[in-house]
Amino acid sequence: EAGVTQSPRYAVLQEGQAVSFWCDPISGHDTLYWYQQPRDQGPQLLVYFRDEAVIDNSQLPSDRFSAVRPKGTNSTLKIQSAKQGDTATYLCASSFGGRSTLYFGAGTRLSVL
Amino acid sequence: QQKVQQSPESLIVPEGGMASLNCTSSDRNVDYFWWYRQHSGKSPKMLMSIFSNGEKEEGRFTVHLNKASLHTSLHIRDSQPSDSALYLCAASTNSAGNKLTFGIGTRVLVRP
Repeated sequence: EAGVTQSPRYAVLQEGQAVSFWCDPISGHDTLYWYQQPRDQGPQLLVYFRDEAVIDNSQLPSDRFSAVRPKGTNSTLKIQSAKQGDTATYLCASSFGGRSTLYFGAGTRLSVL
Repeated sequence: QQKVQQSPESLIVPEGGMASLNCTSSDRNVDYFWWYRQHSGKSPKMLMSIFSNGEKEEGRFTVHLNKASLHTSLHIRDSQPSDSALYLCAASTNSAGNKLTFGIGTRVLVRP
């Protein structure tokens, strides 16, 4: 069974540039998460979906970040105008049902110069 | 916002020794804890979960939970160099469904 797939693996930007991250969850998983993990810290939830609906985006900086999951499968996370403070690894995870294990993708390592 | 606090920040353990990690939630509504392990440059992978008071053992790993104090601990016996990793504690509440809040982690180094 294929795991969670993310692309790209790495991104390097100048401040003010835009970037998009893509995630393909495990087939059949109804819940998809985007986490931001700064270096040497734990993952911090940005947003999560159940099917195509946003369940919680309270920690997503809405002025520059956006996330969609239009058909309840793949998802895209976009940063409109990146800042140095956005430097982190962006992890996508998926799960099925309630109280179930999250399966993480390999992540996208973003550096904003 | 719910906080999950882990201690210690880092730990050095001799090969074959016992590693003990702690985690506490500040949210009285938390009723489920998870432990994930993240090797350097890799993504987190679930080790164990616990929601009942008491102890749960899987191989060399044992998890304890005290629901009254919202404290969980992870113990690794007979530690191996391959156990060197960042150990992440996460918590969820019944009302939040499968939303996991992670702590900053405990970095474990097992010295041969």
